[in-house]
Amino acid sequence: GQQLNQSPQSMFIQEGEDVSMNCTSSSIFNTWLWYKQDPGEGPVLLIALYKAGELTSNGRLTAQFGITRKDSFLNISASIPSDVGIYFCAGQRAGSYQLTFGKGTKLSVIP
Amino acid sequence: EAEVAQSPRYKITEKSQAVAFWCDPISGHATLYWYRQILGQGPELLVQFQDESVVDDSQLPKDRFSAERLKGVDSTLKIQPAELGDSAMYLCASSETGTSALSTDTQYFGPGTRLTVL
Repeated sequence: GQQLNQSPQSMFIQEGEDVSMNCTSSSIFNTWLWYKQDPGEGPVLLIALYKAGELTSNGRLTAQFGITRKDSFLNISASIPSDVGIYFCAGQRAGSYQLTFGKGTKLSVIP
Repeated sequence: EAEVAQSPRYKITEKSQAVAFWCDPISGHATLYWYRQILGQGPELLVQFQDESVVDDSQLPKDRFSAERLKGVDSTLKIQPAELGDSAMYLCASSETGTSALSTDTQYFGPGTRLTVL
């Protein structure tokens, strides 16, 4: 099935550094969601975005809904070891329940 | 905090055997989803229920997969017979509603069942 283009695929960063990842699509979405998945667990919702241009924060996490509605990015500031995991973006089209997921960005934090 | 419950967490089976997974959504959530997640990929929808009715099962391999939600609460996903390619994480999610008019409806995931077919 269709999946969003998520980048980077993986990243290694030093504890305390800021992180940025993004998600792009060839089609428009009305909702963008960011999930984090730990090994062997289900995805946990981090941030939901509902309007183009919207910028939303959740603690050290900030996400934006792109103006074109075809992209979104997630920033993590001052990374800590527990930020390790796989981050997935997901898009939802207007009038649809279906979520389309990216392939994930695997984040490793070096203490 | 309310959570989606799934069991078992891990299942190892031989090919051609039958397996079943169980999901209990967050209380009051009318919509239930089953996803399959292959290693290194994002989840992909298999089937969606609105209460006890199937809304979308277009991605469900119906020759071997079946899903039911008889009383509109908990749900069972079955594979019979299992094949090697079915090895994956099977995730259940729920949301308050799933009507097409509510595109802001948020899905919450359970911990998943990791299936290994030998």
